[in-house]
Amino acid sequence: EAGVTQSPTHLIKTRGQQATLRCSPISGHTSVYWYQQALGLGLQFLLWYDEGEERNRGNFPPRFSGRQFPNYSSELNVNALELEDSALYLCASNGIAGELFFGEGSRLTVL
Amino acid sequence: AQSVAQPEDQVKVAEGNPLTVKCTYSVSGNPYLFWYVQYPNRGLQFLLKYITGDNLVKGSYGFEAEFNKSQTSFHLKKPSALVSDSALYFCAVRLNILTGGGNKLTFGTGTQLKVEL
Repeated sequence: EAGVTQSPTHLIKTRGQQATLRCSPISGHTSVYWYQQALGLGLQFLLWYDEGEERNRGNFPPRFSGRQFPNYSSELNVNALELEDSALYLCASNGIAGELFFGEGSRLTVL
Repeated sequence: AQSVAQPEDQVKVAEGNPLTVKCTYSVSGNPYLFWYVQYPNRGLQFLLKYITGDNLVKGSYGFEAEFNKSQTSFHLKKPSALVSDSALYFCAVRLNILTGGGNKLTFGTGTQLKVEL
């Protein structure tokens, strides 16, 4: 059974551009969670989607947004990129006992 | 508010020796606690969880964790460390479901484990 998959693996953008990251949860999982792992800042919760709806978001500006599609895959969009947006973005879907299963992440570099 | 603390940025042990990575938590109600491991430039891998039941939880790769309610701790342990265990370890607590966070996890800052020959 395939795990959580994310694309692209790496992405390089310049300041002011937009980035789009994609995630497919484990088959049968309906929720997707996005986290940002920036150097020195640990893992910060970004967004939670369930059944196509945004259920909760972390303390991030509105230029961080996303959506969840009918097949439960998800997209994270970051507009007006800033240098400090450089990070590893991790997507996860949840198991039946509350554990999260993570993908390998998308490394975003903003120049 | 829910939170988890990992008081050590780094832990060094010799191969073959037992290892402990510390975690304390603060949560209202009964805690759901987790340990994850992250290898360089990789995602997080789930190691083990405590939901209820026995205080000693066994997980992947020979790791175990001991839940101690009176000390609000959930330390990760392994009887005999391997060089290949060297990685970044994260403790996490599940947000109280009543606050609407779903299965959102709050993570500690991580502890870098280095196992030396």
